[in-house]
Amino acid sequence: DTGVSQDPRHKITKRGQNVTFRCDPISEHNRLYWYRQTLGQGPEFLTYFQNEAQLEKSRLLSDRFSAERPKGSFSTLEIQRTEQGDSAMYLCASSFPTLGVFSYNEQFFGPGTRLTVL
Amino acid sequence: DQQVKQNSPSLSVQEGRISILNCDYTNSMFDYFLWYKKYPAEGPTFLISISSIKDKNEDGRFTVFLNKSAKHLSLHIVPSQPGDSAVYFCAAPETSGSRLTFGEGTQLTVNP
Repeated sequence: DTGVSQDPRHKITKRGQNVTFRCDPISEHNRLYWYRQTLGQGPEFLTYFQNEAQLEKSRLLSDRFSAERPKGSFSTLEIQRTEQGDSAMYLCASSFPTLGVFSYNEQFFGPGTRLTVL
Repeated sequence: DQQVKQNSPSLSVQEGRISILNCDYTNSMFDYFLWYKKYPAEGPTFLISISSIKDKNEDGRFTVFLNKSAKHLSLHIVPSQPGDSAVYFCAAPETSGSRLTFGEGTQLTVNP
């Protein structure tokens, strides 16, 4: 399977604990994105990387959140001191970069990690 | 500020009939639009897209229409099949060409 993979698929934790999620993108893709989706809403952008460089972070990404992509391949998203409001589906996507206007290389999504904070 | 909006949370149609899913946007700088389909416990899957220099794009049973003056796009599925039952999201890339802004989604149910 050469799609985007995420691990774990489910995570249940207690409030205040730290959690880390992993994403393995499609190997040829140099862009990697993290989104968060809550019930009844569409995915919301968190951050993205081009190779190992983190190029943009959403204001949703508080200082308790940190993402890395150390070698430009897989990425990790860590949440420190989890809160109940962090409960959501965390989605990872990857793509080629888009060159030029009126075009776009679609993002391919992984299955997500569902986080439940008790 | 919700720049991409899907006003219908749900839609139910009979198998074989047409499904029409709607999406409105406010950012006139958007120049590309995508539709994604999402089944439970899976990530969104790209379905079809359209550039703002076009007003229609067709791929098999799926057609997307874009009305730039109204800032409105729609996805038509003809004929609808029970396997099309899923949540459909419209999305647009930010002008930086990077992150996607998604609508809230529409749950489509196709009844046999």
